[in-house]
Amino acid sequence: DAKTTQPPSMDCAEGRAANLPCNHSTISGNEYVYWYRQIHSQGPQYIIHGLKNNETNEMASLIITEDRKSSTLILPHATLRDTAVYYCIVLSDYKLSFGAGTTVTVRA
Amino acid sequence: GAGVSQTPSNKVTEKGKYVELRCDPISGHTALYWYRQSLGQGPEFLIYFQGTGAADDSGLPNDRFFAVRPEGSVSTLKIQRTERGDSAVYLCASSQFGGSTDTQYFGPGTRLTVL
Repeated sequence: DAKTTQPPSMDCAEGRAANLPCNHSTISGNEYVYWYRQIHSQGPQYIIHGLKNNETNEMASLIITEDRKSSTLILPHATLRDTAVYYCIVLSDYKLSFGAGTTVTVRA
Repeated sequence: GAGVSQTPSNKVTEKGKYVELRCDPISGHTALYWYRQSLGQGPEFLIYFQGTGAADDSGLPNDRFFAVRPEGSVSTLKIQRTERGDSAVYLCASSQFGGSTDTQYFGPGTRLTVL
């Protein structure tokens, strides 16, 4: 699976949009981009995934660049409960490979 | 509907003892996965079941670790002769079919502490 690069941490103001970047420059054509998050002491929670097209669900939006070398997860209106470690994962089979992720802190 | 459940939530044992960790996947999910998360790190893959069989056990660290899923639903991760380095959170996930387009849903984990 292709490696991903994420900033180690970022802060976000409550009520504002949080934009989380991820680089995956070695991604292959059949590899999906998945996002999970992990709130302290809980199991990872699925957020969203995509292949080429932008995706949106009730939790977030995923914007994938045309060359697929990077993506951005957007939390449209961050709340304090969105404070978590966010993992960007490129997946070609079934083994989720979690890196260090981005620790997102939402501040009131 | 009910998500993935894991029991116990916490397990404290002594070095050298045997432990069993249980995972109940989402009903109807044929694929089941075990991961291990050490303190301060992301989860690491251990084993993948497709139905009753272990399709990939390449992540199991050594032969003290074994997992079963005899009826294609509940799975048990078994650790023999536990060592202090086995202390971690053991996470279970399930998905409907398996594969890269199939979303894995995680349970809350079992925190194992080996004294």
